[in-house]
Amino acid sequence: SQTIHQWPATLVQPVGSPLSLECTVEGTSNPNLYWYRQAAGRGLQLLFYSVGIGQISSEVPQNLSASRPQDRQFILSSKKLLLSDSGFYLCAWSGHSWSNSPLHFGNGTRLTVT
Amino acid sequence: AQTVTQSQPEMSVQEAETVTLSCTYDTSESDYYLFWYKQPPSRQMILVIRQEAYKQQNATENRFSVNFQKAAKSFSLKISDSQLGDAAMYFCAYRANNDMRFGAGTRLTVKP
Repeated sequence: SQTIHQWPATLVQPVGSPLSLECTVEGTSNPNLYWYRQAAGRGLQLLFYSVGIGQISSEVPQNLSASRPQDRQFILSSKKLLLSDSGFYLCAWSGHSWSNSPLHFGNGTRLTVT
Repeated sequence: AQTVTQSQPEMSVQEAETVTLSCTYDTSESDYYLFWYKQPPSRQMILVIRQEAYKQQNATENRFSVNFQKAAKSFSLKISDSQLGDAAMYFCAYRANNDMRFGAGTRLTVKP
């Protein structure tokens, strides 16, 4: 069966520090991968999605970047965090090019920028 | 751009009663898929139900069912025999190709 791992679960970082959140998927190949951000009590904002290695689509211009160095690995990064980057970050995967395939989510990372 | 709107920020229901959560969407696509997700306090996103736009029959999963009105671009979720464990945030989602969009969510409270 397929599983998705996302870490760390919680992170507290000072303003101006770098960020690296990692997500890996097991049990499937060539998945679509997604990064979402959820502000407190709000909906999910799509940040990036990837349909293959090295292929990244950015939805919102911001202080963050994403990379996909391997088929089942998706990384969210920042060189210098801002206070506004605080939030709950969710990684997800879905079947490639199968529009009826739902997203399967990781457990999320709660990021607090101080 | 596709948008998903949930007009009810909060809803409440008495245990064992029925509640309906509303969702509308805007799209120019003819082939797409719709989903409802549940997010309990643990913040884990849990798929509740899905609907293919080309199917006229409304999807049903145990106590959960949808009312899909394609012409009106409406996709509501009905929860029957509500249970305390149904208390959560509920998100409506739309997918066409690789794009997946979510509504702002509805917080459902279940009263004992």
